[in-house]
Amino acid sequence: GAVVSQHPSRVICKSGTSVKIECRSLDFQATTMFWYRQFPKKSLMLMATSNEGSKATYEQGVEKDKFLINHASLTLSTLTVTSAHPEDSSFYICSATAGNYGYTFGSGTRLTVV
Amino acid sequence: GEDVEQSLFLSVREGDSSVINCTYTDSSSTYLYWYKQEPGAGLQLLTYIFSNMDMKQDQRLTVLLNKKDKHLSLRIADTQTGDSAIYFCAESRDQAGTALIFGKGTTLSVSS
Repeated sequence: GAVVSQHPSRVICKSGTSVKIECRSLDFQATTMFWYRQFPKKSLMLMATSNEGSKATYEQGVEKDKFLINHASLTLSTLTVTSAHPEDSSFYICSATAGNYGYTFGSGTRLTVV
Repeated sequence: GEDVEQSLFLSVREGDSSVINCTYTDSSSTYLYWYKQEPGAGLQLLTYIFSNMDMKQDQRLTVLLNKKDKHLSLRIADTQTGDSAIYFCAESRDQAGTALIFGKGTTLSVSS
């Protein structure tokens, strides 16, 4: 079946630094990737939608300069949290689709900013 | 607008059936999904149902869809302790490749 690899699974960084999270589709070409943020009360908030070779579409309220998304190839999308602060600490999950109704999720990244 | 609602908690005994309910508001939803999330992990697709279906059964899982009431349920038969997790229902819009919209998740606790 379709597999999405997300790395790192866990990262701790100092306030003010940047962190990059990778999302790779291992056995299919992902025309679209999605980035979600999961809050402590479980809800998954869609942050942005990225299509290969074009700029990401951000949801309302998500700062595009803070959460940089790059989807340079059909198998890789990256989310960079720039100048991270403690309030950015969260669980980030990516999802990929080949443009149909199948969605595969990464295993998530636990970001802690200290 | 799009909104997916779920009850937040469900507690059952091992061997009983679990029923997790979900309501959605977007009438253009084409597929509806159930995902399972174990602690610290990503989302695992359990099953999905196309909007023109009423029911789908897959081993211990039964999905019922009432499109008129926009109500979706997931029944887990013979619930096991390994079924303890958070269960999310999600809807897709009518265009393939657009983002899934999730409910807040139901935490299922199974006691032995």
